Amino acid sequence: AQSVSQHNHHVILSEAASLELGCNYSYGGTVNLFWYVQYPGQHLQLLLKYFSGDPLVKGIKGFEAEFIKSKFSFNLRKPSVQWSDTAEYFCAVNAVTGRRALTFGSGTRLQVQP
Amino acid sequence: DVKVTQSSRYLVKRTGEKVFLECVQDMDHENMFWYRQDPGLGLRLIYFSYDVKMKEKGDIPEGYSVSREKKERFSLILESASTNQTSMYLCASSSGQALNQPQHFGDGTRLSIL
Repeated sequence: AQSVSQHNHHVILSEAASLELGCNYSYGGTVNLFWYVQYPGQHLQLLLKYFSGDPLVKGIKGFEAEFIKSKFSFNLRKPSVQWSDTAEYFCAVNAVTGRRALTFGSGTRLQVQP
Repeated sequence: DVKVTQSSRYLVKRTGEKVFLECVQDMDHENMFWYRQDPGLGLRLIYFSYDVKMKEKGDIPEGYSVSREKKERFSLILESASTNQTSMYLCASSSGQALNQPQHFGDGTRLSIL
């Protein structure tokens, strides 16, 4: 069975700081990878996804993520965060040959201070 | 835009009650999912469905059942509610058989069992 690890549980940054949130998964085969964001009081929404091609994917609101197959990682980055990026971020994975449901990480709470 | 609607934002029930959580999607999606979200644990899959009258167990199905009589509606049932089922419940839907399709989430139901 696959699993997802997000090692940063709570991150506090000042506005304009750079962001990198770690995500590692355990599965030996081909995977689809997702980052979701949950703003306070709102539903989860898709930030970006990777399923094939260029391992550097760009998402909404200036976020990007890099898939490094050899490290089983899919880290989320943003060069300069804003106060409005305060949210909880979830990494998720499903195996290409597996079930349609996603396996989620435990989430990272990002707090951006003005 | 995809709309996933959960019938209640907040719900308070008593131990031993039978509880119904309803979810409706308006995009004719084949796949529907129920997750529970707990702090520090992320989202965990309870049940999912690929088609009408079809269901599959997720990672934590104990104490729950589901019903999908119509394509747009997926119900989660707590047969005899217990305090350890106090949680945020999220419904999601996605289209087709391709595993790289993103899931669309409802706003969630915060359920308290007293």
